[in-house]
Amino acid sequence: QITLKESSPTLVKPTQTLTLTCTFSGFSLTTRGVGVGWIRQPPGKALEWLAVVYWDDDKQYSPSLKNRLTITKDTSKNQVVLTMTNMDPGDTATYYCVRKYTGYYPLDYWGEGTLVTVSS
Amino acid sequence: DIQLTQSPSFLAASVGDRVTMTCRASQGIGTALAWYQQKPGKAPKLLIYGASTLQHGGPSRFSGSGSGTEFTLTLSGLQPEDFATYYCHQLNSYPWTFGQGTRVEI
Repeated sequence: QITLKESSPTLVKPTQTLTLTCTFSGFSLTTRGVGVGWIRQPPGKALEWLAVVYWDDDKQYSPSLKNRLTITKDTSKNQVVLTMTNMDPGDTATYYCVRKYTGYYPLDYWGEGTLVTVSS
Repeated sequence: DIQLTQSPSFLAASVGDRVTMTCRASQGIGTALAWYQQKPGKAPKLLIYGASTLQHGGPSRFSGSGSGTEFTLTLSGLQPEDFATYYCHQLNSYPWTFGQGTRVEI
């Protein structure tokens, strides 16, 4: 059974750095082709892709947020961590981690999401 | 970036109806398109990938078609559990992008 679960603080202050952790099971990030990424969704709005890291440590970022994002993987812990610097109230959203294979494969498994509110 | 435009934004329907929604890409993406269903307070769930392949375990009343820049998602025989928001998503090139969603309501 494949599961992903996000963890993070629920409230961060403006200008702080957000650290999101995705802990997954049922697959390995050492398997060729596998990737784990992050998607976010502001309240009442559409989905936005943030970043993805693959089994070979290839990393891709949303160009609009690239300067603020860092994605890393820890295969021994089955975790992927996304850090986002200089948080702003506009970053208030539910953050999801997802599994994907390289190529045109879809986001086939999603975590339940974690709501992060940015407020002073 | 490839823009995805979904229409309509909102769709009123009844149980048993056949409904169709469209996703248009700002440039050709082949069949690198997926559809997700999202219910309030829940994570999106994969329905269709490769524009027309039904995800394993997905209800056969869902079907997808299209290639290039125009895609459709059809629900044949709407069920109460199908009332949700549907998003298209392109994986042809980075940055991956999503449509703004089509909300299906009674």
